[in-house]
Amino acid sequence: DAKTTQPPSMDCAEGRAANLPCNHSTISGNEYVYWYRQIHSQGPQYIIHGLKNNETNEMASLIITEDRKSSTLILPHATLRDTAVYYCIVRPYDLSGNTPLVFGKGTRLSVIA
Amino acid sequence: NAGVTQTPKFRVLKTGQSMTLLCAQDMNHEYMYWYRQDPGMGLRLIHYSVGEGTTAKGEVPDGYNVSRLKKQNFLLGLESAAPSQTSVYFCASREVGGNTEAFFGQGTRLTVV
Repeated sequence: DAKTTQPPSMDCAEGRAANLPCNHSTISGNEYVYWYRQIHSQGPQYIIHGLKNNETNEMASLIITEDRKSSTLILPHATLRDTAVYYCIVRPYDLSGNTPLVFGKGTRLSVIA
Repeated sequence: NAGVTQTPKFRVLKTGQSMTLLCAQDMNHEYMYWYRQDPGMGLRLIHYSVGEGTTAKGEVPDGYNVSRLKKQNFLLGLESAAPSQTSVYFCASREVGGNTEAFFGQGTRLTVV
């Protein structure tokens, strides 16, 4: 079973920030939060990951609450091409890194012109 | 650099037929994965491999077999296809390390009639 809870769908106006929430209330100390997205049935694409500090890259920002029980993925200026299913995944860190990703149902984000 | 390539992209099988799906990666990644995705669902892990000559079962391994004879290739076999195996199949690969991102292929759409 997935360890995360996400809303099934969200809308966002083009040009506005898209804030996608994820609940992971049972997260353990060695588990990271990953975000992937899947555009129109293509293969999923990595976005960002984090442990406890906020993270930012060229695609998005990840805000993790202090108690680490929830997080928010932020797309600062959503475009129509950001319409996709977004998956929040919790995965334990291990040195070998061979623990597979387990996907839930994700959030379907629709960016509206 | 092609990344992760899946062959074929589409296939229709009759119940009871067999087939092999090929996943090839040119990034020298150690880890490879096979997932299936049913309509409206997230990805579910079928089998995975943490290195040449090794395989392991995922969430939904029944009805499938895999082989990793060469590091760059991961084969998924259906010995006797069933309509329940109608799905989109995704392959992914990752390099060794705790937080490396997974790269996905574009998927194989399989219909069993």
